[in-house]
Amino acid sequence: DAGVIQSPRHEVTEMGQEVTLRCKPISGHNSLFWYRQTMMRGLELLIYFNNNVPIDDSGMPEDRFSAKMPNASFSTLKIQPSEPRDSAVYFCASSLGRGSIGEQYFGPGTRLTVT
Amino acid sequence: GENVEQHPSTLSVQEGDSAVIKCTYSDSASNYFPWYKQELGKRPQLIIDIRSNVGEKKDQRIAVTLNKTAKHFSLHITETQPEDSAVYFCAASNGGGSYIPTFGRGTSLIVHP
Repeated sequence: DAGVIQSPRHEVTEMGQEVTLRCKPISGHNSLFWYRQTMMRGLELLIYFNNNVPIDDSGMPEDRFSAKMPNASFSTLKIQPSEPRDSAVYFCASSLGRGSIGEQYFGPGTRLTVT
Repeated sequence: GENVEQHPSTLSVQEGDSAVIKCTYSDSASNYFPWYKQELGKRPQLIIDIRSNVGEKKDQRIAVTLNKTAKHFSLHITETQPEDSAVYFCAASNGGGSYIPTFGRGTSLIVHP
C-alpha cells in the first residue's frame, strides 16, 4: 500500500485565495483525520470522519474552513478565503476501525504558505 | 474534554544516555496512549502504544509505562543514538467514548554524539 497520500505537498498562495488540500486514506481504513501543525499551537485536530461522515468538527477554526469526504477514498480540506495565519503544515491521517483506538497513519503533509 | 500535558518541551542528552518524557492526562476514561516520533520535515509515526489494561510495554530500546491512578504515562529511551533525535508526541484517547485523540505539545529530543 502506498500509505496516506496528500496533495499538493507545497502550496503558496496569496491572501484571499481559495486553497484546497486533498487526501487519499489507506484502503480499508474507515477513520480519517485532518490536523494542522504550527510551532505556536502544536498538532491540532481539525476534523474527524468515520465512514465518510463528519463526527467532530469542533477543531475547525472558523467558517473559512470546510472539509468533505464524498467517498471512502478521498477527502478535501478547503480554506476560503485564505489568510496569512493559516500558514502551517496540514496532515491527513487514517486509521482502521472506529475512531483513533489504534495506530494513525499520517500522510506526508501539505506545507501551506499564505502571503 | 481531555487535556494532555507533556514535559519537558526540550530534552538534550549525550549519546548512550537514557531519555524520559512524561505526560499527564485528565480524563480517567482514556484507555489508549500512543507515542509518535516526528523527524524534522517528516510525518509523525507511531513508535509504541499502550492500553489501559497494561502497566508497561517494551520494544527494544523504548518502553512506555502507565500509571492509571495518577493519570500519567512516560516514554523511556535507553542507550540513545543520534538518530533518536526528533520530536516525540504523546496522546490519549477514549476507545469507548469520542475516540478522538488529544496530543501533547511535543518534546524535542536532541542526542549529541
